[in-house]
Amino acid sequence: EPEVTQTPSHQVTQMGQEVILRCVPISNHLYFYWYRQILGQKVEFLVSFYNNEISEKSEIFDDQFSVERPDGSNFTLKIRSTKLEDSAMYFCASSSRLLYNEQFFGPGTRLTVL
Amino acid sequence: GENVEQHPSTLSVQEGDSAVIKCTYSDSASNYFPWYKQELGKGPQLIIDIRSNVGEKKDQRIAVTLNKTAKHFSLHITETQPEDSAVYFCAASGNNNDMRFGAGTRLTVKP
Repeated sequence: EPEVTQTPSHQVTQMGQEVILRCVPISNHLYFYWYRQILGQKVEFLVSFYNNEISEKSEIFDDQFSVERPDGSNFTLKIRSTKLEDSAMYFCASSSRLLYNEQFFGPGTRLTVL
Repeated sequence: GENVEQHPSTLSVQEGDSAVIKCTYSDSASNYFPWYKQELGKGPQLIIDIRSNVGEKKDQRIAVTLNKTAKHFSLHITETQPEDSAVYFCAASGNNNDMRFGAGTRLTVKP
């Protein structure tokens, strides 16, 4: 069964450093998403991406964040200058065109900012 | 924007009993209501969903009901098993792909 994959599983970085989190969505999906989950809290929507542009973004997704689909398979989330409060699990998700609401999640990347 | 409330935050049941988790939403434009199960160290896994033109949906031991007038929807798990123990999240979204999650319910099924 096809699945969303994410790398790395765990990323440790120093405050102020840039990080790039990578995702490979399900191959025939056209809508891509990033979510964040701070430890013990709810999953929070960050951004959705379709047709090579952002379609929706939340108030969390400020200028420090950017997303990119650099090639036909990868979908990345970049945080330019990490802050301590960026420490969280980051989940990528994807959905198909016809059932665009039905989102399939990856296993997540745990980001720890020291 | 959409606001999803979920109750209870924790739920403990005996194996074989039923479990019910309830959610309310605020945006009447929301038309898709999925439920996710999250096990420790893993991403949310879709277990069942319901769309706004349906009042109830069932898949084996899991069922979801939707009351659009009252803006609430519920997850029902019957004949619970220890492997049902996890955190369950409800969510709601409309046509804008902006999915909002509830705060989660930690379900513990005691053998």
